[in-house]
Amino acid sequence: HSVLTQPPSVSGAPGQRVTISCTGSSSNIGAGYDVHWYQHLPGTGPKLLIYGNSNRPSGVPDRFSGSKSGTSASLVISGLQTEDEADYFCQSYDSSLSDTYVFGTGTKVTVL
Amino acid sequence: QVQLVESGGGVVQPGRSLRLSCEASGFTFSSYAMHWVRQAPGKGMEWVAVLSYEGTNKYYADSTKGRFTISRDNSKNTVYLQMNGLTIEDTAVYYCAKDTYFDGLLPPYYFDHWGQGALVTVSS
Repeated sequence: HSVLTQPPSVSGAPGQRVTISCTGSSSNIGAGYDVHWYQHLPGTGPKLLIYGNSNRPSGVPDRFSGSKSGTSASLVISGLQTEDEADYFCQSYDSSLSDTYVFGTGTKVTVL
Repeated sequence: QVQLVESGGGVVQPGRSLRLSCEASGFTFSSYAMHWVRQAPGKGMEWVAVLSYEGTNKYYADSTKGRFTISRDNSKNTVYLQMNGLTIEDTAVYYCAKDTYFDGLLPPYYFDHWGQGALVTVSS
């Protein structure tokens, strides 16, 4: 049911920059619907990281940033830290499906 | 702070029923739509259902329509998911999630808080 495509994994050393892509289609991201990003640690509930393509909720470090272009979006972690090791997934809305909220396949970030 | 606590998960045989509960605190529960989202083992998140703030408007994913029912009791700050006719494909961790608006099918279409999840295992 994952309509949005993400790389299964990305990795980087502490301090490095990593980018996670989220590719959709003309009925979701390409239709103008915003992309939102969540961080998910095992055994916990997901945490909102970025909303409205590029906005950070209060308390989210500014090393996390998001952008959107066309039918894709990206999450960038600048200055990777050990506590950033987690799963990350994107989410948007789709106007062509009954499953109106759509999610990415998820990306595991590993800090080397 | 906002807290969402799911309960009611467990092991159930195919064809049987189960009801999940999600108790909310730290915000005005009756003002927001509430969702259920699930994640099957090794899979991505899948949206299940949403219920508007007063319980009038409810929407379901195709995979759960006709089998699952979402409801809420604003006097108890609790949202429920009644799951009937469970199949092995319903095995997942079920999360309740708070919408940012009163109706779950109006923008901006995202979840600002999630619970820790309840594991539902359907097995014979």
